[in-house]
Amino acid sequence: GENVEQHPSTLSVQEGDSAVIKCTYSDSASNYFPWYKQELGKRPQLIIDIRSNVGEKKDQRIAVTLNKTAKHFSLHITETQPEDSAVYFCAAMGQAGTALIFGKGTTLSVSS
Amino acid sequence: NAGVTQTPKFRVLKTGQSMTLLCAQDMNHEYMYWYRQDPGMGLRLIHYSVGEGTTAKGEVPDGYNVSRLKKQNFLLGLESAAPSQTSVYFCASRRPGQGRNQPQHFGDGTRLSIL
Repeated sequence: GENVEQHPSTLSVQEGDSAVIKCTYSDSASNYFPWYKQELGKRPQLIIDIRSNVGEKKDQRIAVTLNKTAKHFSLHITETQPEDSAVYFCAAMGQAGTALIFGKGTTLSVSS
Repeated sequence: NAGVTQTPKFRVLKTGQSMTLLCAQDMNHEYMYWYRQDPGMGLRLIHYSVGEGTTAKGEVPDGYNVSRLKKQNFLLGLESAAPSQTSVYFCASRRPGQGRNQPQHFGDGTRLSIL
């Protein structure tokens, strides 16, 4: 089945810096890769996603890149702000395209 | 629209007790999921369902059972609770397919402690 590895597990940056979180996946048949943000005590919320026919996607300060040959994808946050502090999860569509398999999460701390 | 609603929000059990977690969605979604979230372990898929009357095992199914008798409800059962099942449980649902038009919606979670 699908396996998703996520790094780093924790990331601390200064306000205004950029943050990058990287994930790798194992199932070459996966073709959908969403990113979720989870604030303390809240539910995970979808922030951006990418499909395998696209190499990069941007939405204001966040962007996701995908290298399907290498089976890895990354989340980029520019001009970080304190409200970006949260746990971020990457995921890949596994179970023959029926279920999202998540990475273990990255705790991002943005200090002002 | 309430989205995905989980009941209860909190529960404390003793080892060996049984209980059922209820997930209800009002979006007419075919697919429903149960995940557990533990510190440093991310969201791990327990069981899922691709339609009424169907269920399938996920990454960590042992010790849990599920039922999908109605399309809008997905029940997660613990027959004999163990301390290792202390966790936050999230239910989710979505439409079939892959992509932006089929986002996965999560409930608010159930915090379960087993003593």
